[in-house]
Amino acid sequence: KAGVTQTPRYLIKTRGQQVTLSCSPISGHRSVSWYQQTPGQGLQFLFEYFSETQRNKGNFPGRFSGRQFSNSRSEMNVSTLELGDSALYLCASTAGRGGEQYFGPGTRLTVT
Amino acid sequence: GQQVMQIPQYQHVQEGEDFTTYCNSSTTLSNIQWYKQRPGGHPVFLIQLVKSGEVKKQKRLTFQFGEAKKNSSLHITATQTTDVGTYFCAGSGNSGYALNFGKGTSLLVTP
Repeated sequence: KAGVTQTPRYLIKTRGQQVTLSCSPISGHRSVSWYQQTPGQGLQFLFEYFSETQRNKGNFPGRFSGRQFSNSRSEMNVSTLELGDSALYLCASTAGRGGEQYFGPGTRLTVT
Repeated sequence: GQQVMQIPQYQHVQEGEDFTTYCNSSTTLSNIQWYKQRPGGHPVFLIQLVKSGEVKKQKRLTFQFGEAKKNSSLHITATQTTDVGTYFCAGSGNSGYALNFGKGTSLLVTP
């Protein structure tokens, strides 16, 4: 089985811009979670989607949003980028609720 | 909200020494998972513990889940250079599925 894929792998944006990141889960996985990873804060949960519905949401401002499509692919969007949004954004897919998470390689976002 | 604390933040050992990382939650967990992230890589699932007092072993790695289901530990016996990386615990509470990750313990092993 192919693993979780994320595009793009690297991205450089300027403050105020918006960005869309994409995640394709493992075939058959219906749950996709997004995380922000920074050296100071570790892995922070953004949100989780299951069958096109947001099932859980972390403590992030409304500038961070996401969605999931009928084929389980997911996108996350960050609007009005700030310098502090520079991070590695990871998505993870799960076969079922509460199971092990399979992480993608991440998208490294740099905001200048 | 639920917080998962992990200590130590860093650990530097000589190859062959043992290593332990500890994870504590402010609330009771329904389960706890452990992940390893190699430098430049992404987290990779190691194990999930569900039962109170559960102990699981994977070769040189021993995982424990506390009786109260609020703490967990990962112990590595006789570390090797291949053990280098950051070890994360992640717990989900009884009220929801979302995983809360600890900040991780970065392990450095020198030959």
